[in-house]
Amino acid sequence: GQQVQQSPASLVLQEGENAELQCNFSTSLNSMQWFYQRPGGSLVSLFYNPSGTKQSGRLTSTTVIKERRSSLHISSSQTTDSGTYLCAMERGQGGRALIFGTGTTVSVSP
Amino acid sequence: EAAVTQSPRSKVAVTGGKVTLSCHQTNNHDYMYWYRQDTGHGLRLIHYSYVADSTEKGDIPDGYKASRPSQENFSLILELASLSQTAVYFCASRPRAQDTQYFGPGTRLLVL
Repeated sequence: GQQVQQSPASLVLQEGENAELQCNFSTSLNSMQWFYQRPGGSLVSLFYNPSGTKQSGRLTSTTVIKERRSSLHISSSQTTDSGTYLCAMERGQGGRALIFGTGTTVSVSP
Repeated sequence: EAAVTQSPRSKVAVTGGKVTLSCHQTNNHDYMYWYRQDTGHGLRLIHYSYVADSTEKGDIPDGYKASRPSQENFSLILELASLSQTAVYFCASRPRAQDTQYFGPGTRLLVL
């Protein structure tokens, strides 16, 4: 079954609103990455966060290993935040490849 | 910033034809990966490699072959392209001592 589940599947925001994206794992977590996928398709790495909290500008990632979850918080959203956010957990074997969630599509309107 | 390039960026292929997707990285990374993304879905692992001249199967290897002739280059080969292989293909690389994967821009493949 799906090892990485993301929620919500989509989110509509007014500019300035905050948002929280969730990622849950069905197996033990090795590490966690968050990516932003631009509308054109390219992927941008946002965070590598195996545990704890990391912040970059208006984005904050929190991973709680024992609860098998990670979240991405967007504060004061802007229209440029629109796109798809993907979480991915690293598998312990298999070349440390990533197992991706299905993504959260965020749309921020002015 | 690590650089991963892919070619072609888009391709239209015919069913039953052979397709080769190429990936090149300039940072001497040990690990390289091929993922595919279908509309509305996350990425899934096809093949990966942790050293030149060696490849490993990922989660969905059927219908695909991979080749790593050098540290910098990693190819994905569809010997007999099928309609179900229409997708966006991403290549990624990662240095052994670090954890972040760096992704190429993707290749959009349409099989008709």
